[in-house]
Amino acid sequence: ETGVTQTPRHLVMGMTNKKSLKCEQHLGHNAMYWYKQSAKKPLELMFVYNFKEQTENNSVPSRFSPECPNSSHLFLHLHTLQPEDSALYLCASSHAVGETNEKLFFGSGTQLSVL
Amino acid sequence: RKEVEQDPGPFNVPEGATVAFNCTYSNSASQSFFWYRQDCRKEPKLLMSVYSSGNEDGRFTAQLNRASQYSSLVIRDSKLSDSATYLCVVNMQAGTALIFGKGTTLSVSS
Repeated sequence: ETGVTQTPRHLVMGMTNKKSLKCEQHLGHNAMYWYKQSAKKPLELMFVYNFKEQTENNSVPSRFSPECPNSSHLFLHLHTLQPEDSALYLCASSHAVGETNEKLFFGSGTQLSVL
Repeated sequence: RKEVEQDPGPFNVPEGATVAFNCTYSNSASQSFFWYRQDCRKEPKLLMSVYSSGNEDGRFTAQLNRASQYSSLVIRDSKLSDSATYLCVVNMQAGTALIFGKGTTLSVSS
């Protein structure tokens, strides 16, 4: 166990559905991240929160909406997704963004399929 | 130029072989470097940090050449359990999040 828990592990949704991914970390970290991993592509950074403030949004479509109510919880709200959004969505945490030798700890991911 | 580039792989080696993975990065100001391991359908896990002086952890050795903007990971005496994808990870700019390479897949066979 890495101390980062993601739910659900698997999610199948239609293009008109609304769903949310949840991430919780028990490591006392101050930074949380959403990454997307599609087949045969590198991990793509989507959003970064540092001390509850969003510090990076890498041109992610508005159908993905993050929420970070506190340093331990991170959500990714999904609505009107497209089939090409099917991927593994990984949450990660670290002590703080950009620290020298910061280390990321990942959750197990949510495997999302959009039909 | 891609931010973090790795050997495309896959690398198919017999048990006991020595294998080396290479990684180049685009930003000369990058400060932090890591190698992560990712098993099939699992999350990435930190394998080792990379320091300018190089570092070794058992059968694994990581090197960094800042002048050439290059990092390498060497695995000696490969085991079947080393089969995985190895990700080069770099902090491109102070205060920003880590960027991952595409990864190099290693398959060790008996």
